Amino acid sequence: EVQLQQSGPELQRPGASVKLSCKASGYTFTEYYMYWVKQRPKQGLELIGRIDPEDCSTDYVEKFKNKATLTADTSSNTAYMQLSSLTSEDTATYFCARGRFAYWGQGTLVTVSS
Amino acid sequence: DVVMTQTPVSLSVSLGGQVSISCRSSQSLVHNNGNTYLSWYLQKPGQSPQLLIYKVSNRFSGISDRFSGSGSGTDFTLKISRVEPDDLGVYYCGQGTQYPDTFGAGTKLELK
Repeated sequence: EVQLQQSGPELQRPGASVKLSCKASGYTFTEYYMYWVKQRPKQGLELIGRIDPEDCSTDYVEKFKNKATLTADTSSNTAYMQLSSLTSEDTATYFCARGRFAYWGQGTLVTVSS
Repeated sequence: DVVMTQTPVSLSVSLGGQVSISCRSSQSLVHNNGNTYLSWYLQKPGQSPQLLIYKVSNRFSGISDRFSGSGSGTDFTLKISRVEPDDLGVYYCGQGTQYPDTFGAGTKLELK
């Protein structure tokens, strides 16, 4: 059974950074891109970018290029997303999703507040 | 980027009824390989989105045949028949033909 287990909720101060994790199981980690999606409260879905765990190559949506950094660790089958210089605009739930969005993590709520 | 436009924004339906949701893309979703990467997702309250339909009309594993997708090029439709309480939530269309993948703004399905 394919599972994507994401890390727990985060409360961060403006200007801080945070690193989210997404641990994959039930499939070969290197065979599928891992995507990251942002969903602001009561809003729609917005792609941040993707990583190919096989070679750790990345593609970012332009608006997130200076905000998110995607990495992957094949030894632990875990994908990571670091968000930097947090502002209130980064308050959202962040999902990881396996290639073609067939499987999603449960989401990590990041709240940015002073 | 490809813009996905969903209509209507919300729908009210009686249990057992049928509804259709429309999704239009700003450019053709036919990939160079001949496939059309148009998917439909349902996000129930407090949950992650779940894949219902991929490549226009293919139901994902475990998805009821009450859900059907159709369309081509830039115009697509999701039909839900014999609506059940578990079908309520927000439906999104999404395209994966051209990177970055983009999603519609969602259609909220509520009980009448």
